[in-house]
Amino acid sequence: DTAVSQTPKYLVTQMGNDKSIKCEQNLGHDTMYWYKQDSKKFLKIMFSYNNKELIINETVPNRFSPKSPDKAHLNLHINSLELGDSAVYFCASSQGAPNTQYFGPGTRLTVL
Amino acid sequence: DQQVKQNSPSLSVQEGRISILNCDYTNSMFDYFLWYKKYPAEGPTFLISISSIKDKNEDGRFTVFLNKSAKHLSLHIVPSQPGDSAVYFCAASPSGTYKYIFGTGTRLKVLA
Repeated sequence: DTAVSQTPKYLVTQMGNDKSIKCEQNLGHDTMYWYKQDSKKFLKIMFSYNNKELIINETVPNRFSPKSPDKAHLNLHINSLELGDSAVYFCASSQGAPNTQYFGPGTRLTVL
Repeated sequence: DQQVKQNSPSLSVQEGRISILNCDYTNSMFDYFLWYKKYPAEGPTFLISISSIKDKNEDGRFTVFLNKSAKHLSLHIVPSQPGDSAVYFCAASPSGTYKYIFGTGTRLKVLA
């Protein structure tokens, strides 16, 4: 039973398109995150939601819009995709913070 | 400005010997530290954590040491096994936040 799942696992798209990545956790956690791992393998936090409320927004372009319909889901919508958005995006969850984060398998986004 | 640094990009160790992975940080507000292991095409997996009120935490073959005065932590794996071959990330969280800062990772290779 997958604790944190993401769909899709791979996403290839053209510049200028809009795409979404979905994340679900079945751990009953109250906090969810989105991370970006760039080509240099640097894992950087983008957003954090606690009980469906945005609590961290790390200077991410407003083309990126997270949405948390409930505590178990945190989706990431990206408008007007750019080449520099190509990366692996990881979703994670934790019960409060600081605490252990559990990561999803990642979504590899390639923008052509 | 890289607040969490893993200065060794790679490390090779013989099976059965000790692996020591190092991590340095600059922000004295960090008070919770974690180590993650990552296999290719998977999300990071939690290994062990330590709070700043401790200087050592042990879990099976894994021990984390924290030296607050030196702003340094290390992960010891004893004995090392081929299955430990992966990229290891340290992460730190400032007091009272939901933010986690990750290092750039160290690739460990355990030779059989």
